[in-house]
Amino acid sequence: DVKVTQSSRYLVKRTGEKVFLECVQDMDHENMFWYRQDPGLGLRLIYFSYDVKMKEKGDIPEGYSVSREKKERFSLILESASTNQTSMYLCASSSGQPGSPLHFGNGTRLTVT
Amino acid sequence: QKEVEQNSGPLSVPEGAIASLNCTYSDRVSQSFFWYRQYSGKSPELIMSIYSNGDKEDGRFTAQLNKASQYVSLLIRDSQPSDSATYLCAVIASGGAAGNKLTFGGGTRVLVKP
Repeated sequence: DVKVTQSSRYLVKRTGEKVFLECVQDMDHENMFWYRQDPGLGLRLIYFSYDVKMKEKGDIPEGYSVSREKKERFSLILESASTNQTSMYLCASSSGQPGSPLHFGNGTRLTVT
Repeated sequence: QKEVEQNSGPLSVPEGAIASLNCTYSDRVSQSFFWYRQYSGKSPELIMSIYSNGDKEDGRFTAQLNKASQYVSLLIRDSQPSDSATYLCAVIASGGAAGNKLTFGGGTRVLVKP
């Protein structure tokens, strides 16, 4: 079974803090993704990566950056957290084979006060 | 127009009945389709994938794909209270580095009443 592990289940940060969300997968997957999920807005893609050191902007990249230094790890960085970044953050991975589904981590519920 | 559309529900179904969920998509060349189940406060879990026209059955779940009409559906037979969740339809956009990027619908909330 694919295991995608997010480092924190719940996180509370203050406005202006730099926040790191970490994600690790154990299936040697090429692709990794960061989504946020908000009521009424569904799942929205922030960034994804299809290889080490490669990244692509998703639909809502503003205010976020990412890092992928190793194949198994994909980090989401909030440079200066704001209250409108309070959300559920979901990491996912998939193999490089065309048509592969995503496998999600358990999610990190981030609250910015 | 949204790329992947679902009725938000809630779809209320008596226990033991069939729940029927629909999803339409706009990218005509999409090739890969998925259904995820998401319980409240949890992350989405994959329940079905379908790539060819027709039906695909897995236990109490049946996915149906019609590429000509650009819709994919999910049937849940013998619905149980534990099936109460939000069901997300997802489609892979075509081509390039985005080849494996899923686009999700907004989800249909299903309530199975005992």
